Formats: sequence, C-alpha cells, structure tokens
Amino acid sequence: SAVISQKPSRDICQRGTSLTIQCQVDSQVTMMFWYRQQPGQSLTLIATANQGSEATYESGFVIDKFPISRPNLTFSTLTVSNMSPEDSSIYLCSVESDSDYGYTFGSGTRLTVV
Amino acid sequence: GQNIDQPTEMTATEGAIVQINCTYQTSGFNGLFWYQQHAGEAPTFLSYNVLDGLEEKGRFSSFLSRSKGYSYLLLKELQMKDSASYLCAVKTYNTDKLIFGTGTRLQVFP
Repeated sequence: SAVISQKPSRDICQRGTSLTIQCQVDSQVTMMFWYRQQPGQSLTLIATANQGSEATYESGFVIDKFPISRPNLTFSTLTVSNMSPEDSSIYLCSVESDSDYGYTFGSGTRLTVV
Repeated sequence: GQNIDQPTEMTATEGAIVQINCTYQTSGFNGLFWYQQHAGEAPTFLSYNVLDGLEEKGRFSSFLSRSKGYSYLLLKELQMKDSASYLCAVKTYNTDKLIFGTGTRLQVFP
C-alpha cells in the first residue's frame, strides 16, 4: 500500500488566518482525496485532487475556502482559508491503494482555531 | 445524492460477537468498504465487498446485499482493542471517491 506523509500533525491557529496542509505519497497516484472529520463525526469528503486540473469539490465546499494544489503525482496541499472556530477539525488526505482495494489515509492534521 | 446510515453507538462484551449494520442508497454502486478508526488515529482498511455474499478475514467478516443496499461487519471473539469507530464507505462508478457513512462507535467491556 502507498505510504502518505501528512503535515503538520496539529496546529492551533488564530481566526482569520490560513493554514496549508501537505500530503506526500511515496508512489505516483492519479487522484488524491481530502476529507474533514469534525469532532465525534465520520469523514466528509471535501474534494478530489487530480494532477494537471482543478480539484473537484463536493457540495458545501468551495475553492475560495479550501484551495487545493496538485503540482505532481505524489504531492498535494489543502489550504483552510480565513479560518473560524467552526473549521476546527481533523483534515485527512487519502489515496487509493493498488494492492488490496483499500484506500490509505494520511495520519491527519488536527486543527484548532481560536 | 447518497445516504449511508449506521447505528451511532454499540456496546458488547469481550469474547462476544457483534454485528454492525450499514444501509446505503446510491447510484452507480461500485463497492463497499469497512474501516476501523481508533480515537486520534487515521482509519485503517478492514474489508471490501463488491459482489453479494460474505467475505471472511480472520475474526472479521463483511456481508453485502446489493439488491437491499445493505452490508454488515461481523466481529467475533471480541477483544478490548476492538473498541473503536467502524465506518462503512461506498464507492461509485465514474469516480474513485469514497463516501463515508455516519460511523458506529463500538465499546467493548470486560
């Protein structure tokens, strides 16, 4: 399975600022996925990031708030912009594994906005 | 749209068997996954079903009925370390994205 390095693992940010989360994969992957997991909740898909094209956002998520970059087949960033306390969540990236049908997840970024 | 529902919480006793259900409504179904997530950790892959029937993997089994939009995860010989959240997720044709259900928090008691 692919191995994903995600950073930062956690951060405490002031409202109104932005945070960029990075995910590095040890192999080339076509698509990378970004999820949000609010406290005590399941995972909600934010967007799908393809290399060479704009990310595809799910209903309720917009590019201005969550800009995504995908400069190559092993790397992606998600920025949480103009943060408010409601953005306090865990953010995870994910890729499809080519070995056992499963999807692999990064270790997550725990974001607290104060 | 897609609806994927699971019970919110379940409890069970060490050594027992527990069944966690997942019902889904989706167009273009292309597989159902089960993940385990311990508190503060990333989800880890447990099982995958794309055809009807039962898939067994050690203490864990997963069942799928596509006509009923229904799956379950069966955990046998429960151990304390099985206390975690269990998430079902559906994959659809024409995209490779996973949409997750509401998740079930399982507590195993001695």
